[in-house]
Amino acid sequence: QQQVKQSPQSLIVQKGGISIINCAYENTAFDYFPWYQQFPGKGPALLIAIRPDVSEKKEGRFTISFNKSAKQFSLHIMDSQPGDSATYFCAPWEETSGSRLTFGEGTQLTVNP
Amino acid sequence: IAGITQAPTSQILAAGRRMTLRCTQDMRHNAMYWYRQDLGLGLRLIHYSNTAGTTGKGEVPDGYSVSRANTDDFPLTLASAVPSQTSVYFCASRRDFYTGELFFGEGSRLTVL
Repeated sequence: QQQVKQSPQSLIVQKGGISIINCAYENTAFDYFPWYQQFPGKGPALLIAIRPDVSEKKEGRFTISFNKSAKQFSLHIMDSQPGDSATYFCAPWEETSGSRLTFGEGTQLTVNP
Repeated sequence: IAGITQAPTSQILAAGRRMTLRCTQDMRHNAMYWYRQDLGLGLRLIHYSNTAGTTGKGEVPDGYSVSRANTDDFPLTLASAVPSQTSVYFCASRRDFYTGELFFGEGSRLTVL
């Protein structure tokens, strides 16, 4: 059973544009919703995360929007820059059962100059 | 610099050989994890350890074993490597069982011929 579905698989955006990546999940017990960013040849690193008591969280150009009823959350990158070119993973989980860490399949973002 | 150190960075291995990927962290994190990353499949959990002395199986544990003799070290062993174990392996840690952020090493690229 696929618990996490990420889309799109790849995304090409022009510099200055908005990048949007979506993550749909099935497990209603998930209570922590992070996005990880991975540059080529590096390990993933936490970019931004949200908990279900809020519907949106913004950090600089990065925003998470959370829709509990639809069981999905999305990452918005405003004013996208070539330096944002990376692979992005959603990884929702239940904090009380940390062993069940499920990553989405990843979205490869390319921002053209 | 605090973080996770993985070794080797890359390795080519003949099928049937035994291989141990090393992982050391200096953040005194209780929980540690091994993931493999394959194109189009995202990150899949192999084994985890919530604290020294305990280990558990993740999503794809077959063919792999781990040990956690102390807080800092979490080696992953392939007893008899097969070509399907060709992948990039990431070690990760987090402070404890309940907090969300994962810290990743830079990965070990393993090729099994």
